[in-house]
Amino acid sequence: DTEVTQTPKHLVMGMTNKKSLKCEQHMGHRAMYWYKQKAKKPPELMFVYSYEKLSINESVPSRFSPECPNSSLLNLHLHALQPEDSALYLCASSQFMTDTQYFGPGTRLTVL
Amino acid sequence: DQQVKQNSPSLSVQEGRISILNCDYTNSMFDYFLWYKKYPAEGPTFLISISSIKDKNEDGRFTVFLNKSAKHLSLHIVPSQPGDSAVYFCAASASGNQFYFGTGTSLTVIP
Repeated sequence: DTEVTQTPKHLVMGMTNKKSLKCEQHMGHRAMYWYKQKAKKPPELMFVYSYEKLSINESVPSRFSPECPNSSLLNLHLHALQPEDSALYLCASSQFMTDTQYFGPGTRLTVL
Repeated sequence: DQQVKQNSPSLSVQEGRISILNCDYTNSMFDYFLWYKKYPAEGPTFLISISSIKDKNEDGRFTVFLNKSAKHLSLHIVPSQPGDSAVYFCAASASGNQFYFGTGTSLTVIP
């Protein structure tokens, strides 16, 4: 089983809203990732958690706040987003940070 | 600074023929490479990997070739099928560090 699940599938939010994206994996992977992908562009790494600790933060604005409550779950809390933050947000996991990453289906976020 | 490049944004191939997707990288420290396939509005799906100790890895219809001296890898799909139509990303990493993705090549397999 190489499944990474993400909820919701689609999200529309206003610039003053607070929302959260959720990601879950049950493969026993110890590394989890958030990526942002705009149309026709490669995925851009946002955050990496390794053993539930934030390992990499790619200079992401503070309106994006990641959280790793346990080894299976990864959240991305959103607050005061801008329309240019509209994108596909992808979660991925891997056994360890150096290993092949398995991606979830993504959350299509639209900020109005 | 794009460390991984896919210089062909699109490729069209007849069904049954070979598809060859190319990827170039600049960082000689990269030692692990992946290919992903992505359908619109879905997450990338892992296809095949290769480490720098090998120059070829094969999995069914998919073969990845690595030329370390040229800093070049390629993905061969043979025979190509209409269901292979998707965007293909290569990704590379140096041990213990993040993966860098190429810009993707959109493959269309014509029935």
